[in-house]
Amino acid sequence: DSGVTQTPKHLITATGQRVTLRCSPRSGDLSVYWYQQSLDQGLQFLIQYYNGEERAKGNILERFSAQQFPDLHSELNLSSLELGDSALYFCASSVATEGNTIYFGEGSWLTVV
Amino acid sequence: SQKIEQNSEALNIQEGKTATLTCNYTNYSPAYLQWYRQDPGRGPVFLLLIRENEKEKRKERLKVTFDTTLKQSLFHITASQPADSATYLCALVGAGNMLTFGGGTRLMVKP
Repeated sequence: DSGVTQTPKHLITATGQRVTLRCSPRSGDLSVYWYQQSLDQGLQFLIQYYNGEERAKGNILERFSAQQFPDLHSELNLSSLELGDSALYFCASSVATEGNTIYFGEGSWLTVV
Repeated sequence: SQKIEQNSEALNIQEGKTATLTCNYTNYSPAYLQWYRQDPGRGPVFLLLIRENEKEKRKERLKVTFDTTLKQSLFHITASQPADSATYLCALVGAGNMLTFGGGTRLMVKP
């Protein structure tokens, strides 16, 4: 158990809908990262937050957004969902922003039908 | 553009042998490199971090080398066991301090 908690574990939704994925980082970790993993794309970095502020942005679509709250939990919002958004979404956390181990949650499986 | 390449073909080896996985990168000057293990449907798990000024790092049966001239890291598992079967990912810090992963190499250790 990495200490990073993600909910929901599984989610099935229809195209055009909006979903929110939730992440609680390890106790004491200030950085939260979101990654998307699909079969053909591997593990793709989406976005990073550090202590409530956006720190780095990767290949995150405009239909996706994220935030980190004062209690350090984070949410990833996915809207206008398309079939191609079906993937495993991982949250990870670390103490700081670089040179540290990052700890991954077990992921949220999103299936868009 | 920045690229991290790992052998996408699965590596099949016999139990007890040493498994060697390769990570090559281009257009990076990483301060450090990390290796992770990922089991199907699970989150990646951190294994080892090696810094640019370190040539080699060991942890139990694992050994990582880092050659910044060749732009390559090698990951070795000695005395491999079926339980070592998983996908192994290397990761580098890229632009904006974001950790970027290679595509991973699947290792199958046969008894």
